[in-house]
Amino acid sequence: NFMLTQPHSVSESPGKTVTISCTRSSGSIASNYVQWYQQRPGSSPTTVIYEDNQRPSGVPDRFSGSIDSSSNSASLTISGLKTEDEADYYCQSYDSSFAVFGGGTQLTVL
Amino acid sequence: QVQLVESGGGVVQPGGSLRLSCAASGFTFSSYGMHWVRQAPGKGLEWVAFIRYDGSNKYYADSVKGRFTISRDNSKNTLYLQMNSLRAEDTAVYYCAKDQLVIIRAFDYWGQGTLVTVSS
Repeated sequence: NFMLTQPHSVSESPGKTVTISCTRSSGSIASNYVQWYQQRPGSSPTTVIYEDNQRPSGVPDRFSGSIDSSSNSASLTISGLKTEDEADYYCQSYDSSFAVFGGGTQLTVL
Repeated sequence: QVQLVESGGGVVQPGGSLRLSCAASGFTFSSYGMHWVRQAPGKGLEWVAFIRYDGSNKYYADSVKGRFTISRDNSKNTLYLQMNSLRAEDTAVYYCAKDQLVIIRAFDYWGQGTLVTVSS
C-alpha cells in the first residue's frame, strides 16, 4: 500500500495564493485519482476537488487541483485567500482494495 | 438531499464491543459503495473499511482487520460497523461516508460522525 505525505501546516495572508502538496510514496500519482477535502473545526469533511482537478458544484473557482508526474505529487491551490478558507485540508487516493488519506495540512489565513 | 446519520457511539472498556449504524437517505443506497472513516481526537482522517454496493466485497485497514466487520442492509438503507476487541487507540469520531461509485474511489457525502471512546 502506498502513503500520501502532506506538509503539516501552511500559512498565508488574505488575498494571496497558497499551494498544498501531496506526495505519493510508491506507484504513479497518475494511476489513481486524487481528491481534496476541507474540514473546518467541529465539522465533517467536504470535497473541494475530485478526480485530480474537478470542482464540485458550489466550490468557488479559487480552488484548483493538479498532478505532477515528475514529482509524483498532487497539489491543491487556493487563490484570493479568504479567512473562511482557514481549515484542515486532506488529500485522498485509493487502490482496488483500500483508500488512503494524507496526514492533513492546517491552513492558517492571517 | 443525501443524508447519512450515524449512531451507536459511546464509552466502552478495552476489549469490549460496539456496533455503529448509519442510516442513509436521499439516494439509492443499494447502488453505491460505502465506507467508515475515523478521526482520533486532534488527529487526521483514517480510512477504516469499505463495502461494495451489494455487500459482495469488503476491505479493511490493517489496523482493524480481524476485529471490525462492515456490513449493510439494503432493505433498511443502513450501514453497520461491528467493532470487537476494542483498544484505546480505536478512540475516535467514526464517520459513515458514501462513495461516488460501487468500488473504492472517493467520498462524496459524509455523516456528522459518532464518538467512540475506549477507556476503563
